[in-house]
Amino acid sequence: QKEVEQNSGPLSVPEGAIASLNCTYSDRGSQSFFWYRQYSGKSPELIMSIYSNGDKEDGRFTAQLNKASQYVSLLIRDSQPSDSATYLCAVTTGANSKLTFGKGITLSVRP
Amino acid sequence: GAVVSQHPSWVICKSGTSVKIECRSLDFQATTMFWYRQFPKQSLMLMATSNEGSKATYEQGVEKDKFLINHASLTLSTLTVTSAHPEDSSFYICSAVLSPGTDTQYFGPGTRLTVL
Repeated sequence: QKEVEQNSGPLSVPEGAIASLNCTYSDRGSQSFFWYRQYSGKSPELIMSIYSNGDKEDGRFTAQLNKASQYVSLLIRDSQPSDSATYLCAVTTGANSKLTFGKGITLSVRP
Repeated sequence: GAVVSQHPSWVICKSGTSVKIECRSLDFQATTMFWYRQFPKQSLMLMATSNEGSKATYEQGVEKDKFLINHASLTLSTLTVTSAHPEDSSFYICSAVLSPGTDTQYFGPGTRLTVL
């Protein structure tokens, strides 16, 4: 069974700090990796996608992928209160684009 | 680009009635759409994969006769919850893939269903 695991959380950081969100996956055949942000009562919003080992940066967000360790992370620099949300890690395997989601971790950024 | 809409955004219905939820890709054609359900404090659960012009593929444990999916055009998929019961109350979210061969899913805003 394909599984995506995220830290249980919740995670609380002060404004301006770096928030580090971690995710592991069980299927070595996984090909694509995504981080979604979900505000309470809203649907998920794509933050980052990453496909190859290494780092990918987009503004204050950096995704890191290590396929050997089956590990993907999201760093949020200069965290803002508006970053407070649930962050979902998602993984696809195969050609059908089906996503397997982790349970999500709730981030709270304290002003 | 990659805007997905859903209608209605919320609906309240009586037990035993059927409810139809529409999912539209507004600025692109989506050969594949997905339907998810999310209960409070839980992650998204994939219900089915909807392909234009063919029957939907349901995940294990999802009743295909209860959750009817129709993907009649490249921009519209519908989910009908038949004979709804209170346990069907949930947040239903659709997503679409931007183009064939890609796997980035863009989500609609969701439909909150409450069955009394």
